[in-house]
Amino acid sequence: SQTIHQWPATLVQPVGSPLSLECTVEGTSNPNLYWYRQAAGRGLQLLFYSVGIGQISSEVPQNLSASRPQDRQFILSSKKLLLSDSGFYLCAWSVDKNTEAFFGQGTRLTVV
Amino acid sequence: GDSVTQMEGPVTLSEEAFLTINCTYTATGYPSLFWYVQYPGEGLQLLLKATKADDKGSNKGFEATYRKETTSFHLEKGSVQVSDSAVYFCALSSGRNTPLVFGKGTRLSVIA
Repeated sequence: SQTIHQWPATLVQPVGSPLSLECTVEGTSNPNLYWYRQAAGRGLQLLFYSVGIGQISSEVPQNLSASRPQDRQFILSSKKLLLSDSGFYLCAWSVDKNTEAFFGQGTRLTVV
Repeated sequence: GDSVTQMEGPVTLSEEAFLTINCTYTATGYPSLFWYVQYPGEGLQLLLKATKADDKGSNKGFEATYRKETTSFHLEKGSVQVSDSAVYFCALSSGRNTPLVFGKGTRLSVIA
């Protein structure tokens, strides 16, 4: 069966520090991969999605970036965090963009 | 573009009460529709889905019927429990190879 792993579960980082969040999927090949952010009490915001290695689509221009170095690995990065980057980050995968997505457990990021 | 509108809540109910969370959508073509549930501090879990008009998705006592004539996919449960307290998201897949579109979520609190 397919599983998705996301880490770390929680992270506290100072303003201006770099960020790297990692997500891996097991049990499937060539998944579509997604990064979402959920601000406190708010809905889901799609940040990036990828349909294949090295293919990244950005939905929201900001100081975050994403990379897909391997088929089942998706990384969210920032060179310098802002206070406004605080939130709950969720990785997800799907067979394709027309089917349901399956989510990881999320990373709670607090920028201080 | 495609969109999903759901009642934002919060919704507070007593245990064993009847639950309805409204969801309406705007989409061209024939989207697939989903309900996700997010328990505190966790990622989203797929609760149920329906892929064509008049389909009824059901799981864990929750039901939703795909109504094309009213472009709706309302979530219902006959008798809620305290353990159903969570945020519920309605979502659609347009079938045009674009990522899922989510509503803003509805927070449900069930009190004993």
